[in-house]
Amino acid sequence: DTGVSQNPRHKITKRGQNVTFRCDPISEHNRLYWYRQTLGQGPEFLTYFQNEAQLEKSRLLSDRFSAERPKGSFSTLEIQRTEQGDSAMYLCASSLVLRDRNSEYEQYFGPGTRLTVT
Amino acid sequence: AQRVTQPEKLLSVFKGAPVELKCNYSYSGSPELFWYVQYSRQRLQLLLRHISRESIKGFTADLNKGETSFHLKKPFAQEEDSAMYYCALTRYNFNKFYFGSGTKLNVKP
Repeated sequence: DTGVSQNPRHKITKRGQNVTFRCDPISEHNRLYWYRQTLGQGPEFLTYFQNEAQLEKSRLLSDRFSAERPKGSFSTLEIQRTEQGDSAMYLCASSLVLRDRNSEYEQYFGPGTRLTVT
Repeated sequence: AQRVTQPEKLLSVFKGAPVELKCNYSYSGSPELFWYVQYSRQRLQLLLRHISRESIKGFTADLNKGETSFHLKKPFAQEEDSAMYYCALTRYNFNKFYFGSGTKLNVKP
């Protein structure tokens, strides 16, 4: 296991098309997060999973965005009817959350998928 | 509303000089604070977390609840410290993270 991986690394699409990104977390990690990062900004939280359950979604996430983690392993993020404002870096991160081990908490990030909507 | 503010977009210092990257936050509960670093062409990685009170690569950060700050400090900057630094906040159960907009640290020889 070489860490969190994301595919594709780059995606160029035309406005109105649907796109899907994949994230493969570190294998034993129970948490998986999706973020969006635009130029000059820090990562912006989109959603997270505890195993296969999606427990929180940002209010900024429109209905065009959907994420799944069907077997508690890899996750997909789909954007329907893309808009130019969706152009950004989409980051995935995973972590292992254990009771009484908060001081060791660490989130591991993937390399990101850069989306360009033309 | 929860917010993390990093007032400096760019901080330039000479090698050997002290460095302080500022982070202020607003949060209604008891926050968990982190510093993340992104070196050129590398992915984002954890630098340090306030809960473990550690020093990593000579960096330290103290949570000041009165001033709602979590500034990152290093007494003697090195050229290899040049990177983007992000301050981040979450709750005790690590569910939703809020990141600042980042500070680019440039350490000049």
